[in-house]
Formats: sequence, structure tokens, C-alpha cells
Amino acid sequence: EDQVTQSPEALRLQEGESSSLNCSYTVSGLRGLFWYRQDPGKGPEFLFTLYSAGEEKEKERLKATLTKKESFLHITAPKPEDSATYLCAVVDSSYKLIFGSGTRLLVRP
Amino acid sequence: ETGVTQTPRHLVMGMTNKKSLKCEQHLGHNAMYWYKQSAKKPLELMFVYSLEERVENNSVPSRFSPECPNSSHLFLHLHTLQPEDSALYLCASSQRSGEYEQFFGPGTRLTVL
Repeated sequence: EDQVTQSPEALRLQEGESSSLNCSYTVSGLRGLFWYRQDPGKGPEFLFTLYSAGEEKEKERLKATLTKKESFLHITAPKPEDSATYLCAVVDSSYKLIFGSGTRLLVRP
Repeated sequence: ETGVTQTPRHLVMGMTNKKSLKCEQHLGHNAMYWYKQSAKKPLELMFVYSLEERVENNSVPSRFSPECPNSSHLFLHLHTLQPEDSALYLCASSQRSGEYEQFFGPGTRLTVL
């Protein structure tokens, strides 16, 4: 069965303390992996799409990478405004979209 | 209004009520989606509409009935819901069906008593 697992479930960082969020997946024929950010009381906001192992995408303090089994969202020198829930999703060979449960990130000043 | 809007933002209903959720997108997109987000559970895709035609229904119970009168509007009609249907219902749109760079609305927080 296709599955997406995100870890950790929650992460607390000090401002400036870099870290990584993990998204591991088991799917039949990955067609794409997506990262979203969700703030409390709001819908998810699209961040990145990754299609093949070795691919990397960057946006401000965020960098997403992809291997054949997992994706990492690296956060460099985070700021309090980076606090949010980060969602990972994959599309399998039948074009079914599967989300992970998310990682809640809190960045303290 | 810009982006994707949803009304109401909060809804409390009894199990015998009938209510509707409304979504409107101002982005000129051709595909619209309904998702369910329950506490501590992954986002679940419910329905997909492309050019006002339903293209996907992910085994959603018949007490949820979607309607897409045009490419800018999407409704979710609710009747005889159960308490376990309490969740955040999110609407999203994309340029075309099958595109996963989707733009989400703020959601409707639904509580079923």
C-alpha cells in the first residue's frame, strides 16, 4: 500500500538553528513529490515540486531534496515566521495524490 | 476578492440538518478540488472537477454531494452527517486537472453535533 510518513511530528528550533524535515515514501511509480506549508487557520500553500531523484529546489531559507526513498526539507537559519506545519505529498503511478500527516515547526525568537 | 475563497468559515450543524459549503476561485483555473483535513490525519482528496465535470470521487459517502455549476464555483452539499465528519474542509484549484501546484482556500471548519 502506498504510504507517506513525515518526521518528526513536531520540531522546536531556536531562531537561526538550522535543521531538516523528513518525508519518506513507498509508492508504486513516483510521478512527483510536493511540499506545502500550512499556517494555522489557513489552507496549504504550495512550495516545491520534485520529480526525480537528485533534484533540488530552493526558496529563501528552504531547500528541498529528493532521493528514491525520501525527501528532505532543509531549513537554514530559520526565523519565527517560518513556524508552520509543513506537508509532504506524492503522486503515484495511477495519479493518486497521497499526503503525509505533516511536521509542526515552531521557531522561537 | 483574490485567490480562493470559502464560505462559511465555521459551521455547526446537527446530524439531521442540510447545509452547503461554497468555494469560489478568482484565478481563471479549470480544475477544482474538495479535501477533508481531520485532526492528526493526512489531508484526504474527496472530489476533483475539471471544466465542471467530476473526474474523481475517492469513495466518499453519499451524504456528501458536490456540485460545480461553472469553473469558478464549487459547492459541497451536506446532509445527515455523522460526528466523525467534523473536520476542516478545504477547497483548491489548479490550472488543469492533475496539476498539483494547487491554490487552497482557508477552509470551512465543520462541527457535527
